[in-house]
Amino acid sequence: DGGITQSPKYLFRKEGQNVTLSCEQNLNHDAMYWYRQDPGQGLRLIYYSQIVNDFQKGDIAEGYSVSREKKESFPLTVTSAQKNPTAFYLCASRLQGAGWNTEAFFGQGTRLTVV
Amino acid sequence: AQSVTQLGSHVSVSEGALVLLRCNYSSSVPPYLFWYVQYPNQGLQLLLKYTSAATLVKGINGFEAEFKKSETSFHLTKPSAHMSDAAEYFCAVSDVGTSYGKLTFGQGTILTVHP
Repeated sequence: DGGITQSPKYLFRKEGQNVTLSCEQNLNHDAMYWYRQDPGQGLRLIYYSQIVNDFQKGDIAEGYSVSREKKESFPLTVTSAQKNPTAFYLCASRLQGAGWNTEAFFGQGTRLTVV
Repeated sequence: AQSVTQLGSHVSVSEGALVLLRCNYSSSVPPYLFWYVQYPNQGLQLLLKYTSAATLVKGINGFEAEFKKSETSFHLTKPSAHMSDAAEYFCAVSDVGTSYGKLTFGQGTILTVHP
């Protein structure tokens, strides 16, 4: 079955550590997105990528990094520079369509907790 | 930059009552608009989308939304609430006519349904 897989489902990070969240899609979608979700703040865009080897900063990119070496993969690294990384992270993908009139498909999320 | 505003972070209705969740967008041209639903600790699922074909859009689970350009609104409605509709709902807007397909979400509205 086609879909988006995020792993791990739960992740614990010690202060000062970098951690990487995985996102893989087999939908042959062009674009991929990372969002951060905090209670009462909706989904905030971290990074997005339209094509391989290209990505754009979203609204809250500081303290995060991404790569897009393969069409199906868009890993997110939460660096030690991110001061408050505890949150629910969602990955999404999307076909480009006609001027971006297509919907995004979401993974099940990764809950990151700093311990 | 395009944005959406969801009025009311919490909406409470009785089972069988009308559901109305509000979304207003900010855009110089009519954008593409989406409504998503999220159940606890899960990803987002598409309810419906507006892509300029018809102003009244019907979605899954009996939901519909009407695009009103004069009011820059895309409110979500359902004639009769069911207990299973209790969830968080997000309105989203997609860039139109750009290369990168930025997808921006509102703050979310938590719907509670009382028996």
